[in-house]
Amino acid sequence: KNQVEQSPQSLIILEGKNCTLQCNYTVSPFSNLRWYKQDTGRGPVSLTIMTFSENTKSNGRYTATLDADTKQSSLHITASQLSDSASYICTQQFYFGTGTSLTVIP
Amino acid sequence: NAGVTQTPKFQVLKTGQSMTLQCAQDMNHNSMYWYRQDPGMGLRLIYYSASEGTTDKGEVPNGYNVSRLNKREFSLRLESAAPSQTSVYFCASSEPWTSSGSLVNEQFFGPGTRLTVL
Repeated sequence: KNQVEQSPQSLIILEGKNCTLQCNYTVSPFSNLRWYKQDTGRGPVSLTIMTFSENTKSNGRYTATLDADTKQSSLHITASQLSDSASYICTQQFYFGTGTSLTVIP
Repeated sequence: NAGVTQTPKFQVLKTGQSMTLQCAQDMNHNSMYWYRQDPGMGLRLIYYSASEGTTDKGEVPNGYNVSRLNKREFSLRLESAAPSQTSVYFCASSEPWTSSGSLVNEQFFGPGTRLTVL
């Protein structure tokens, strides 16, 4: 069954700290692995897109990694800011994870 | 560029009523999509249109119909709304391209329509 699972479900961190979000997928065949950021009450916004041949992709303080052999991806956020508070969604093809809700506190 | 726009932003319907959700994009994308997002669940694909004149069912098409009016517009219709269709609906568009032999499909989402069916 095609699925995308994310962990943790929610996370609270102090401003300035780093964090890593996890994504496991069973979707086949591989298309491209995408991470989105969704602010409350808004539509998702693309952060990174990785093809099968890429194992790391950065977008500012966001760095995504991909291990196509184990079908795992991670999103690392460096030096978190209050504006990073949002839901982070992993997706493969048309299958979306339920997201990790990140809260950054002062 | 406005990107992807959706109307209305909010809607309350009674069971059995019908309505059409409108979506338009100004990025000249060929592909357009309708998703619904429910608490505790990921976005689920309702219908998509790979290009003008074509539409295909997604994961949860029952109770919905779509129309790809032209390249810019893709509408979603609920003929007889049910409480189970209470959700947030997102429209998205994309222009798939190939990188290193892989198809890259970055989707751009609209702001969503919050629909409540009583």
